[in-house]
Amino acid sequence: DGGITQSPKYLFRKEGQNVTLSCEQNLNHDAMYWYRQDPGQGLRLIYYSQIVNDFQKGDIAEGYSVSREKKESFPLTVTSAQKNPTAFYLCASRGTSGISEQFFGPGTRLTVL
Amino acid sequence: GENVEQHPSTLSVQEGDSAVIKCTYSDSASNYFPWYKQELGKRPQLIIDIRSNVGEKKDQRIAVTLNKTAKHFSLHITETQPEDSAVYFCAASNIGAAGNKLTFGGGTRVLVKP
Repeated sequence: DGGITQSPKYLFRKEGQNVTLSCEQNLNHDAMYWYRQDPGQGLRLIYYSQIVNDFQKGDIAEGYSVSREKKESFPLTVTSAQKNPTAFYLCASRGTSGISEQFFGPGTRLTVL
Repeated sequence: GENVEQHPSTLSVQEGDSAVIKCTYSDSASNYFPWYKQELGKRPQLIIDIRSNVGEKKDQRIAVTLNKTAKHFSLHITETQPEDSAVYFCAASNIGAAGNKLTFGGGTRVLVKP
């Protein structure tokens, strides 16, 4: 399971609280991505970053924020503005030399109590 | 933007039979189509992918076909085994576009009955 890690595996938060999910990779990949997965549904893109200090909104960015201060790290903050934050969050990374697969982390399951 | 539809949402097959999952996409600029397998509670993992300049690709019991004209692609699993039980996702991407973003289908839950 090395290469790309996420922590914690399970996270509980109260309504109205911000929470930050960690994503770290040692694959020397330039591009990193955050997805949200709801039960019985596909993966939806929240944010992505192609290079350090740059990131772009995905399809469902509202209520989320990210930073990319280091190549190996791409943390996601779920803010209190996210109306329905309970979900499984997956981070992925990809090399940028030609076509290459996205490697996924093990995911963080966030539950809002 | 790209939209990917995937069918069926669930698929139950007898061990040894074949399974077929179909996806359609909307953006004719998409040129890369990966398939991911996700076992319960685990991360998605790439099992096969195909580029738009190829019509078919095989890897042991798994094959993918692509029809660019009709904008659809399919995953074929032959001689299914219980360990093939998982959720399978198709995706589409335009490799030349900024971000090389993947758009995923809704997933197919495959159950292989022994």
